[in-house]
Amino acid sequence: QKEVEQDPGPLSVPEGAIVSLNCTYSNSAFQYFMWYRQYSRKGPELLMYTYSSGNKEDGRFTAQVDKSSKYISLFIRDSQPSDSATYLCAMSAPSSGGSYIPTFGRGTSLIVHP
Amino acid sequence: GAVVSQHPSRVICKSGTSVKIECRSLDFQATTMFWYRQFPKQSLMLMATSNEGSKATYEQGVEKDKFLINHASLTLSTLTVTSAHPEDSSFYICSAIGSGGRRNTEAFFGQGTRLTVV
Repeated sequence: QKEVEQDPGPLSVPEGAIVSLNCTYSNSAFQYFMWYRQYSRKGPELLMYTYSSGNKEDGRFTAQVDKSSKYISLFIRDSQPSDSATYLCAMSAPSSGGSYIPTFGRGTSLIVHP
Repeated sequence: GAVVSQHPSRVICKSGTSVKIECRSLDFQATTMFWYRQFPKQSLMLMATSNEGSKATYEQGVEKDKFLINHASLTLSTLTVTSAHPEDSSFYICSAIGSGGRRNTEAFFGQGTRLTVV
């Protein structure tokens, strides 16, 4: 079992739909949880950053962390064609050297069609 | 957010030659840098982790003599693909983590380098 599981999709939705992206993980030591968006042939950009359980909202994006279930979600409201990209979840725990090395899911490809 | 600059964004080289890719943190000190490789429609594959001033730690299956990583300063890490072959063609991405507060838990990514070996 991989440390972080993420369905690669593709997930295809109509414009305006609510999108739900999810990841599960097995390492209970993970403390920080992130969502990155990656457009084709570009580096990932950070969308959401959360610590521990709970919800965090930023505009049309809501990140949810449930540590008891080892499950994180990203919701996108009023999805737009420009949201079409690959979304990677990432989570980190302190390493023996003190650094927080992120572990990534494989990414979910999202397609929002007009 | 912090800025990580990766150069070049695209490079084409002949088989057998070496290629150097630079990754710079522009507005913070990168105590740890990561190098990833990404094949089309695949996730990021961590190649190695480097801490400033020390040798890089390579992931299993990554040839350290082929992918030379240098992290000589807190703002610069380089990846050199030596004796490149067509199978080394891929998208290479660096990321960096700083120190202090959120900076040591949040990874900032470069723009990526598309390497094509002909």
